[in-house]
Amino acid sequence: EAGVVQSPRYKIIEKKQPVAFWCNPISGHNTLYWYLQNLGQGPELLIRYENEEAVDDSQLPKDRFSAERLKGVDSTLKIQPAELGDSAVYLCASSPRGAETQYFGPGTRLLVL
Amino acid sequence: DQQVKQNSPSLSVQEGRISILNCDYTNSMFDYFLWYKKYPAEGPTFLISISSIKDKNEDGRFTVFLNKSAKHLSLHIVPSQPGDSAVYFCAASAYSGGGADGLTFGKGTHLIIQP
Repeated sequence: EAGVVQSPRYKIIEKKQPVAFWCNPISGHNTLYWYLQNLGQGPELLIRYENEEAVDDSQLPKDRFSAERLKGVDSTLKIQPAELGDSAVYLCASSPRGAETQYFGPGTRLLVL
Repeated sequence: DQQVKQNSPSLSVQEGRISILNCDYTNSMFDYFLWYKKYPAEGPTFLISISSIKDKNEDGRFTVFLNKSAKHLSLHIVPSQPGDSAVYFCAASAYSGGGADGLTFGKGTHLIIQP
């Protein structure tokens, strides 16, 4: 069974530019999460989707971050405009409905110059 | 305020010996606890979990112990092998409104297995 797929794996951009990350969850997983991981820290939740509905986006900085999960499968996380402090690893995870174990993708490492 | 704490940033253990990684939490609403293992440039890999209704869960060389009264859990790896060298994250979740909340992670412990 294929795991969570994320692309790109690495992205380097200049500040004030937009950037987007894509995630394809494990087939059949209704719940999708986006996390942010800074260096030396554990992942921190940005947003949780149940199918296409964002049920918890309280930690998402909505002034510059946006996310969507059209059709309840793939998801895209966007930053516009990017700031230097956004340099981090962006992780996507998925789980079956109601399950508490989450399965993570390899992450997208973002560097903002 | 950190709700999940891993107070040891690193731990060095000799190959073949037992590795014990510790984790403390403060939120009494947490009802499910997980350990993830992470290699450089990879995402966290699920290792083992435990529900709050249990005090022990075992899977091969890995055992997780939960002490709810102390709000403490530990991961035991016996025997430790070179491939166990990685960063280990403790995570916790609460269940609400038809779905599992996002996980709350500790900062991780870097386990180094020495030959």
